[in-house]
Amino acid sequence: AQTVTQSQPEMSVQEAETVTLSCTYDTSESNYYLFWYKQPPSRQMILVIRQEAYKQQNATENRFSVNFQKAAKSFSLKISDSQLGDTAMYFCAFLPPTSGTYKYIFGTGTRLKVLA
Amino acid sequence: GAVVSQHPSRVICKSGTSVKIECRSLDFQATTMFWYRQFPKKSLMLMATSNEGSKATYEQGVEKDKFLINHASLTLSTLTVTSAHPEDSSFYICSARGLREGSYNEQFFGPGTRLTVL
Repeated sequence: AQTVTQSQPEMSVQEAETVTLSCTYDTSESNYYLFWYKQPPSRQMILVIRQEAYKQQNATENRFSVNFQKAAKSFSLKISDSQLGDTAMYFCAFLPPTSGTYKYIFGTGTRLKVLA
Repeated sequence: GAVVSQHPSRVICKSGTSVKIECRSLDFQATTMFWYRQFPKKSLMLMATSNEGSKATYEQGVEKDKFLINHASLTLSTLTVTSAHPEDSSFYICSARGLREGSYNEQFFGPGTRLTVL
């Protein structure tokens, strides 16, 4: 079975500092998609960043970047220059399109608190 | 672009009544919509997948007679919680998979509906 593991239930970081959230997954697929979603207190799921497995280059979106290690099945999220508005739950999600269902497999989440 | 709305955002109902939650894709057509349930401080739990014009596919353990899903058009899916009980109180989130080029594999999420059953 395909699984996604987020081993850090909670993390905190000082404002302006850098923090890395970990995500590992287990699959035998060679082509898939990985996502990081942010869920702030409003509970609206917001896409932070997306990575396609066949692309070796790590995705970057402004202050957010990933370290995608396909062989190690690792997909960590780095947040640079942390801001108070980054305080949220962060979910890692895995999508194997070959399944035909397009269902996400979510990790259990990491609660990030940015401290002033 | 790729906006998904849910209505209502909050609903309180009495035990035994039915509640309908609507999920709409506002600016794109969605072949597939997903319904999730989320408990406090927990991850999203997929309840069912709905495809336009066909019956929904429910995840194991989800009562299809209690959680009725209808996907009548490419922009609207509804979740009806029938004979609701306090244990059905939860946060329900829908998402839609778009037909737009480049978005085939991404889900766009609605803002969620908080259901409280008294």
